[in-house]
Amino acid sequence: AQSVTQPDIHITVSEGASLELRCNYSYGATPYLFWYVQSPGQGLQLLLKYFSGDTLVQGIKGFEAEFKRSQSSFNLRKPSVHWSDAAEYFCAVEFKLSFGAGTTVTVRA
Amino acid sequence: NAGVTQTPKFQVLKTGQSMTLQCAQDMNHNSMYWYRQDPGMGLRLIYYSASEGTTDKGEVPNGYNVSRLNKREFSLRLESAAPSQTSVYFCASSEVGTAPYEQYFGPGTRLTVT
Repeated sequence: AQSVTQPDIHITVSEGASLELRCNYSYGATPYLFWYVQSPGQGLQLLLKYFSGDTLVQGIKGFEAEFKRSQSSFNLRKPSVHWSDAAEYFCAVEFKLSFGAGTTVTVRA
Repeated sequence: NAGVTQTPKFQVLKTGQSMTLQCAQDMNHNSMYWYRQDPGMGLRLIYYSASEGTTDKGEVPNGYNVSRLNKREFSLRLESAAPSQTSVYFCASSEVGTAPYEQYFGPGTRLTVT
């Protein structure tokens, strides 16, 4: 069965600093991978997705993610965090979407 | 376009009561989904409908039923609510094709069962 692990439950980062959120998956083949963001009290919004091809994918709001097959990882990065990036981030796999437990990002001034 | 809409936004039920959560999408998507979100567990799929007229169980279907009323609407019913069903419920929709398309989520329904 496929599964998704987000090792970090909560990350605090200073505004302007870089951010990296980890995601590891367990799946028999190269999966379809997604990162979603959820602002407080809101639904989920897609940040980016990977299906095939270039392993570095660009998304909205200045986010990018890199697929590494050898490490079964799909980590999300942003070079410079803004206060509005405070939210919960979910990594998800495949068609019916298996979600990780989420990482809450707090941004301090 | 409203995207995916859900009603109600909030609901409090007593144990044993029933209710139906409504979901509608105006993007002409074929597939629709119901998830529940619990702290520390991410979102878990309850039921999905790959196309109008079909429904299938997801990871946590027990205690729920669904109806794909037409292409736009997909409802979730709790026949006899239990405290374990206290959660935030999200509806989503997507197109289908040779590769998975992104899912578009509604704003959620926060359900409390006492």
